[in-house]
Amino acid sequence: DAKTTQPPSMDCAEGRAANLPCNHSTISGNEYVYWYRQIHSQGPQYIIHGLKNNETNEMASLIITEDRKSSTLILPHATLRDTAVYYCIVRGTGANSKLTFGKGITLSVRP
Amino acid sequence: DAGVIQSPRHEVTEMGQEVTLRCKPISGHNSLFWYRQTMMRGLELLIYFNNNVPIDDSGMPEDRFSAKMPNASFSTLKIQPSEPRDSAVYFCASTGQSFSSYEQYFGPGTRLTVT
Repeated sequence: DAKTTQPPSMDCAEGRAANLPCNHSTISGNEYVYWYRQIHSQGPQYIIHGLKNNETNEMASLIITEDRKSSTLILPHATLRDTAVYYCIVRGTGANSKLTFGKGITLSVRP
Repeated sequence: DAGVIQSPRHEVTEMGQEVTLRCKPISGHNSLFWYRQTMMRGLELLIYFNNNVPIDDSGMPEDRFSAKMPNASFSTLKIQPSEPRDSAVYFCASTGQSFSSYEQYFGPGTRLTVT
């Protein structure tokens, strides 16, 4: 599975959009981009995933560049409860493909 | 749905003792995963099961660690003997369709401290 690169941290103001970047320049054609988050002292939580098209659900939007080498997770109206570590993961669909968590990006939402 | 249930939530034990962590996956899910999280190594996959059968245990650190899934609703992770370096948060996760299903549901974790 391809590796991902995320900045270590970022912050945003409550009510504003949070745009979390991720680089995955070695992604291959059958690999998906997943986003999970982990709020302090809790287990990770699935947010969204995509292959090449932009995706949106009730939690967030995922924008994948046309060359698929990078993506952005967008939380449209960040709240204090969105403060967490966000993991960008690239994963294939084969039987031996695993969720490999890196260090993630720590998002701090300030009042 | 109660989600993935793990017990105990906290465990403190002395070096050399046996530790058993328990997990009840979400009903109907057929894949189960055990992860370990430490500050130094982050979140690591230890082992996963599909339909109660261990598929990949390459992440299990050493022979002191063993995992079983006797039925679809219960799994255990055992450490015998335990060592201080085993101190970590251990998460169990399950997923419903197949191993490659996109959404894994994580339990609240067991915080293990070995003194």
